[in-house]
Amino acid sequence: AQSVTQPDIHITVSEGASLELRCNYSYGATPYLFWYVQSPGQGLQLLLKYFSGDTLVQGIKGFEAEFKRSQSSFNLRKPSVHWSDAAEYFCAVARTGSARQLTFGSGTQLTVLP
Amino acid sequence: SAVISQKPSRDICQRGTSLTIQCQVDSQVTMMFWYRQQPGQSLTLIATANQGSEATYESGFVIDKFPISRPNLTFSTLTVSNMSPEDSSIYLCSVGDRANTGELFFGEGSRLTVL
Repeated sequence: AQSVTQPDIHITVSEGASLELRCNYSYGATPYLFWYVQSPGQGLQLLLKYFSGDTLVQGIKGFEAEFKRSQSSFNLRKPSVHWSDAAEYFCAVARTGSARQLTFGSGTQLTVLP
Repeated sequence: SAVISQKPSRDICQRGTSLTIQCQVDSQVTMMFWYRQQPGQSLTLIATANQGSEATYESGFVIDKFPISRPNLTFSTLTVSNMSPEDSSIYLCSVGDRANTGELFFGEGSRLTVL
């Protein structure tokens, strides 16, 4: 069975600073990988996804993520954080072709300091 | 993409009562998923709601506690029965994309507090 690890429970950055959120997965084949964001009181919104091809994927709101097969990682990055980016971020992995098999990481809470 | 509406958005309930959450999708979808997000926790899949057949429950979740209806391809309900404070959570409805890649679209969730 697949699993997802987000080692950082809480990260604090200053507005304008760069950001990297870590995600490691465990799965035998190439998985489908996702990053979701959950703002306070909201549902989850998809930031970006990786299925195949170029390992650097661009998402909404200026986010990007890089798939590194050798490290089983799919880290999320943003060069300059905005105060509105404060939220909870979830990495998720799906077995190919099955929405039911989507597994979420435990989440990383991002705080942005003015 | 899909637009998903859930109601209620939040509620405060008494121990021992039941509450039904409604989920409406703006397009026809084959599968709808119900997730639970306990305070400070990640998302856990409760069940998959299938139109025309019984829901498929994940390990640790049973139909008596979380009965689900799926009367058509755009609507589903989840009932949380005989609630206790441990059921205080956000309950999220979601649907998959048409290509069945694993991508999910979520409603805004229903935040339940059980006293």
